[in-house]
Amino acid sequence: EAQVTQNPRYLITVTGKKLTVTCSQNMNHEYMSWYRQDPGLGLRQIYYSMNVEVTDKGDVPEGYKVSRKEKRNFPLILESPSPNQTSLYFCASSAGGVPLNTEAFFGQGTRLTVV
Amino acid sequence: RKEVEQDPGPFNVPEGATVAFNCTYSNSASQSFFWYRQDCRKEPKLLMSVYSSGNEDGRFTAQLNRASQYISLLIRDSKLSDSATYLCVVNADAGGTSYGKLTFGQGTILTVHP
Repeated sequence: EAQVTQNPRYLITVTGKKLTVTCSQNMNHEYMSWYRQDPGLGLRQIYYSMNVEVTDKGDVPEGYKVSRKEKRNFPLILESPSPNQTSLYFCASSAGGVPLNTEAFFGQGTRLTVV
Repeated sequence: RKEVEQDPGPFNVPEGATVAFNCTYSNSASQSFFWYRQDCRKEPKLLMSVYSSGNEDGRFTAQLNRASQYISLLIRDSKLSDSATYLCVVNADAGGTSYGKLTFGQGTILTVHP
């Protein structure tokens, strides 16, 4: 089954404690991205990757890091989480960097709370 | 001005009603347009792509007006199961640094009641 898998689904952590949210896709997609979703602000892109070892900042990259060492994995790293990073996070993948009418597949989301 | 703007609603309609959502985008070089559906606390899923000529999928019709930079979604004969948030999504131009980036509207909340 084609899917994007995120882990963990729920996480409560304390300020400053490094964490990683994993994302894996089994569709051999080149393009992967991370979004955060906040009430009233919609989905905002954090980072994206067009292929292995190619990553770039989205609209709200501050406080986040990513890596793309393998095509299927795109982890999101919070080196020193702060309460303003409490949010619902989605990983997404799509085929190719020119997704004209190409569907983006989303993971089930990670609800992160930083206290 | 936001890159993609939608009326957040909420829209509350009875079963069987016809409801329309509009969305405007600011980047005239945008290439691709989509409507996604998001159920409460779940991931967005593609509802339909939007083509310049307009397209229909069952009870759903999507239209694109490039001159006015707006996209619409029409839902006919609403069902209870149509209750969700509908996200307008625009793909930025493929030639620049926003290569392949999807920009989302805030979403429009629809509730269909018996």
